Amino acid sequence: EDQVTQSPEALRLQEGESSSLNCSYTVSGLRGLFWYRQDPGKGPEFLFTLYSAGEEKEKERLKATLTKKESFLHITAPKPEDSATYLCAVDLGGTSYGKLTFGQGTILTVHP
Amino acid sequence: GAVVSQHPSWVICKSGTSVKIECRSLDFQATTMFWYRQFPKQSLMLMATSNEGSKATYEQGVEKDKFLINHASLTLSTLTVTSAHPEDSSFYICSASGGTQYFGPGTRLLVL
Repeated sequence: EDQVTQSPEALRLQEGESSSLNCSYTVSGLRGLFWYRQDPGKGPEFLFTLYSAGEEKEKERLKATLTKKESFLHITAPKPEDSATYLCAVDLGGTSYGKLTFGQGTILTVHP
Repeated sequence: GAVVSQHPSWVICKSGTSVKIECRSLDFQATTMFWYRQFPKQSLMLMATSNEGSKATYEQGVEKDKFLINHASLTLSTLTVTSAHPEDSSFYICSASGGTQYFGPGTRLLVL
């Protein structure tokens, strides 16, 4: 069965304290892995797409990496405004092309 | 990133009535749109895939006669919750895809 698991479920950081979020996947095929940010009461906001092992993408304080089994979202020197739920999702391709399977998300809280 | 809008953002209705939610891609043409629902503190669950000009494809367990989807153009998809009941109360989110899924801001439905 295809599975996407995110850890930790919740993460509390002090402002400036760098850390990483994990997304591990057990899937039959992978067209792409996506990271989104979701604020309370809003729809997910697209962050990154990763397609192949070894690929890295960066945006401001965020950096996403991908291996054959997992992806990491590294947050460098986070600020309180980075507090949100971070979701990863996989597109299995094939007959499921374009459909996303989401992990449960990591709730990030950054304290000033 | 691409902009997707949803209307209304909030709706309260009486049990037994029908509610229509619109999803528009504002700056690109989306051949495929997706509808999700999200319960509190849970991740997104795909309900159906909507392709322009054809019938929607529903995920297992989603009643197609209850959740009517119409994708009339490359920029508009609608979800109608028919004969809504309190258990249909949820956060409904659409996305439009041009390879990457971009999400709308969501519609919160409360059925009394």
